[in-house]
Amino acid sequence: QLQLQESGPGLVKPSETLSLTCAVSGASITSSTFYWGWVRQPPGKGLEWIANIYYGGRSYYNPSLKSRVTISTDASKNHFSLRLSSVTAADTAIYYCARMTLGYGKSWLDPWGQGTLVTVSS
Amino acid sequence: QSVLTQPPSVSAAPGQKVTISCSGSSSDIGNNYVSWYQQLPGTAPKLLIYDNNKRPSGIPDRFSGSKSGTSATLGITGLQTGDEADYYCGTWDTSLSAGVFGGGTKLTVL
Repeated sequence: QLQLQESGPGLVKPSETLSLTCAVSGASITSSTFYWGWVRQPPGKGLEWIANIYYGGRSYYNPSLKSRVTISTDASKNHFSLRLSSVTAADTAIYYCARMTLGYGKSWLDPWGQGTLVTVSS
Repeated sequence: QSVLTQPPSVSAAPGQKVTISCSGSSSDIGNNYVSWYQQLPGTAPKLLIYDNNKRPSGIPDRFSGSKSGTSATLGITGLQTGDEADYYCGTWDTSLSAGVFGGGTKLTVL
C-alpha cells in the first residue's frame, strides 16, 4: 500500500529556507506514470498547490511561488523534497505531499501524506 | 484568492441531498478534468472524485461528480453526520501550467 510521510523542521525563522522531505513507501518514485507534489494549507484556510515533479526532471511550479521554490527527487532514498526560500509568516501552513496523476487534461492527487505543520517565526 | 470559485458553505439535513458547485474558466475546468477532495476535521484531504465523475475504490456511490462547460458539481446523497467536512475541487490550469483548487466548501449536516 502506497504511503507518503512528510518530515522536516516545525519552526523556521523569517528569511530562512524551509526544507521538507516526503518519504515514499509502497511504490518507487521512479515510476513513469506519476508525478510527486506538494500542497499547503495555512491555518483555517484553503488548499494551495505548490509544485510537482516527474522523476527524470520535468517539474511545474505555482507561478506565485516559483521564484522561491525548488522541488527535487532522490531515487536512492525513494523520497522527494521541497525547498522554499526567504520565508515569511505568510508561509506558515500545513504542508502535504501527495502522488499526482497528470496528463491529457487529467490531474488528481492521491494518496496524501498526513501533513506537517511549519511555523515561520523568530 | 482561489482560481476556482466554490460557495463557502452548504448545509442540509441527514438523509437529504446536497450539491457543491465549482466554477472556473476555459483555461482550467473548461479544458481539463476535475477532481474533488474531502477533508474531515483535523485530517489530510482525501480524493473523492477524479476525471469529473469517477470514484476511487472505497468511495460510496452516494458521492457523484459532473462537469458542464467551465463548471463542475459534487453531489452527495443520503447525507450522514460523518459527511461533515470541507470539500475542495481541483483541476489543472493549462495557461498557468499549474494545479489549482477552489476555496473550499464547508458542509454542515444539520
